[in-house]
Amino acid sequence: QQQVKQSPQSLIVQKGGISIINCAYENTAFDYFPWYQQFPGKGPALLIAIRPDVSEKKEGRFTISFNKSAKQFSLHIMDSQPGDSATYFCAATNSGNTPLVFGKGTRLSVIA
Amino acid sequence: GAVVSQHPSWVICKSGTSVKIECRSLDFQATTMFWYRQFPKQSLMLMATSNEGSKATYEQGVEKDKFLINHASLTLSTLTVTSAHPEDSSFYICSARDRGWTGNQPQHFGDGTRLSIL
Repeated sequence: QQQVKQSPQSLIVQKGGISIINCAYENTAFDYFPWYQQFPGKGPALLIAIRPDVSEKKEGRFTISFNKSAKQFSLHIMDSQPGDSATYFCAATNSGNTPLVFGKGTRLSVIA
Repeated sequence: GAVVSQHPSWVICKSGTSVKIECRSLDFQATTMFWYRQFPKQSLMLMATSNEGSKATYEQGVEKDKFLINHASLTLSTLTVTSAHPEDSSFYICSARDRGWTGNQPQHFGDGTRLSIL
C-alpha cells in the first residue's frame, strides 16, 4: 500500500516557468512533510518542509502548499531554472520517529 | 549544517565477496539511522532502521543475514552486504536523525554508495 502518492512522474518546464508537483497522503498521523531534491549519483537533499499547522511555506523560489482536509501537499518552483533539473521526492512521517515514507518521485527537466 | 558522510562512494567487487559501507554523522549524534536501497529511476526503498546500541529493525522482505547492520556508536552505522551477488548491485543510501528528533527537524542523507557486483 503506497502511503504517499506523487504526480506527475515526469515534468518538462520552460526556463522561467512554474513547476508544480503534487502529493497526496493517506495516514492522518503524518505531521511532517518534507520535499527532497536528488541529482544523479547523489543522495537526496532536503529542500523545504512543512507541518500541518500552516497552509503554505515559502523559501526563496520554492513554496509548499498544504491542504490538510484534502490530505494533499504540493511543491511549486517559481522561475524554474535548468539547474533545477533533478528528481524531486515528497515524503511524510510523524513525530514518533517512524521512518520517512517517500513518494515515487518526479523527474523535472527545465529546458531553455 | 549537519553532514552525513558515506564511504565508499563507489565499489566494484566480485560475486561472493562481502562489502562494508560506512555511514558517519560528522557534526551531530545520530541516535537513529536508516538504510535505503534505490534502483535506477525509482524511489528510495527503506531496508532497515537502526538505533544506537540496539539491533536493527528490518523491513519485510529484507534478508537480515544478507544485509548486516551495526550501529555501535552515535556517529557510525555500517551496512555489510554478505556474499554479494549481481542482484545486490544497487545504490545504497544512509540517513540519520539527530538525538532528540521530534519530527520538526530535517533528516540528513549521505551521498550514497554505488555497489556493482561482477
